[in-house]
Amino acid sequence: QSALTQPASVSGSPGQSITISCTGTNYDIGSYNLVSWYQQQSGKVPKIIIFGVNERPSGVSNRFSGSKSGVTASLTISDLQTEDEADYYCCSYAGTLRIFGGGTRLTVL
Amino acid sequence: QLQLVQSGAEVKNRGSSVTVSCKASGGTFGNYGFGWIRQAPGQGLEWMGGIIPRFGATDYAQKFKGRVMITADTSTNTLYLEFNSLRSDDTALYFCARWGHGFDIWGHGTLVTVSS
Repeated sequence: QSALTQPASVSGSPGQSITISCTGTNYDIGSYNLVSWYQQQSGKVPKIIIFGVNERPSGVSNRFSGSKSGVTASLTISDLQTEDEADYYCCSYAGTLRIFGGGTRLTVL
Repeated sequence: QLQLVQSGAEVKNRGSSVTVSCKASGGTFGNYGFGWIRQAPGQGLEWMGGIIPRFGATDYAQKFKGRVMITADTSTNTLYLEFNSLRSDDTALYFCARWGHGFDIWGHGTLVTVSS
């Protein structure tokens, strides 16, 4: 039950696109299309931005998109905005368990 | 709209126990599962375990088995996290969250501070 692997940090300029990877195993990401992504701005409660690998909850900008290939899921944020600066976490279903990634800090330069 | 309202901050001594509650307001548990997730200061999110209140079924991360018990009272729509043998590194913000399409509804968090 090791944490999913995410890069510690990524950065981009306003208007650019960035991608955050999330690598698991055949016991979690590789076996289930139940990857979700969360945005946590400083001092706030995490907010879901992607579920089911690539579905967006109502109200979440279409600048956020998700994908999966094998044991790696990815979150892409297009047309970066300053308000996107936050920590991002992936999470995968793993049988009856859930596993989070270590988190990625996005800096918008 | 369902909201999850958690109990207030706690300060506990090492080796003691704490119980954190999470009440579903504006709705019921339904058939949803719920999880407890913690976040140590400056650290990431960590899933501790979960419960499907309608069935009472629970699961725990290996790391917390034996020290954590998650229960639910369906008559009051309240979840409970009981955490025993507290250590200094259990100091964290503890969140409850509904597992719908992902963890789609979160409580505001309960800060548990373990002092030596």
